[in-house]
Amino acid sequence: NAGVTQTPKFRILKIGQSMTLQCTQDMNHNYMYWYRQDPGMGLKLIYYSVGAGITDKGEVPNGYNVSRSTTEDFPLRLELAAPSQTSVYFCASWGGQGTEAFFGQGTRLTVV
Amino acid sequence: AQSVTQPDIHITVSEGASLELRCNYSYGATPYLFWYVQSPGQGLQLLLKYFSGDTLVQGIKGFEAEFKRSQSSFNLRKPSVHWSDAAEYFCAVHGSGNTGKLIFGQGTTLQVKP
Repeated sequence: NAGVTQTPKFRILKIGQSMTLQCTQDMNHNYMYWYRQDPGMGLKLIYYSVGAGITDKGEVPNGYNVSRSTTEDFPLRLELAAPSQTSVYFCASWGGQGTEAFFGQGTRLTVV
Repeated sequence: AQSVTQPDIHITVSEGASLELRCNYSYGATPYLFWYVQSPGQGLQLLLKYFSGDTLVQGIKGFEAEFKRSQSSFNLRKPSVHWSDAAEYFCAVHGSGNTGKLIFGQGTTLQVKP
């Protein structure tokens, strides 16, 4: 049982490039989340999904896009990368009441 | 809209001393509440969670938290801190029902003095 798997673990992008952060979970969870973590700022919610085909904006969605075509996958797309998107990104999934949210190991992204 | 506030950015306690980390939330109904811990360079580990029922919740590593509806608080406590407890602690809230959002506070960094 792998839990939540994020790839890649590290990435350096040049300004203006684009990339997709992959997130897969094997727990059949309906809820999935993308966060970014900056020093002293905690985790800020970028986008979330309550099920396949349903996504919604979180606290800091600008510059990002997501899709949820399957229950398992929730990729995060960065278009036109900017230095302000340098951060650590975490994906999470949650099975609902009575359960805990599980997190991936994170992706450290640097935009130069 | 739901929100979470952790008033203390940084706390230092001596090893063996008691600990209380504060968490206040804003939500119209009873939310689901969580405490997570993150060691440097690591992912997040769940300490404990509250959904309903007994307002005093026991977690791992000797931690407990108490849900106080009247104060909109969910403070984390530990009677005797160990040096290995030094880490960053996050409180999180999820609106009950199907609102979907899981929101985190900005975190409290715990330093433990020998």
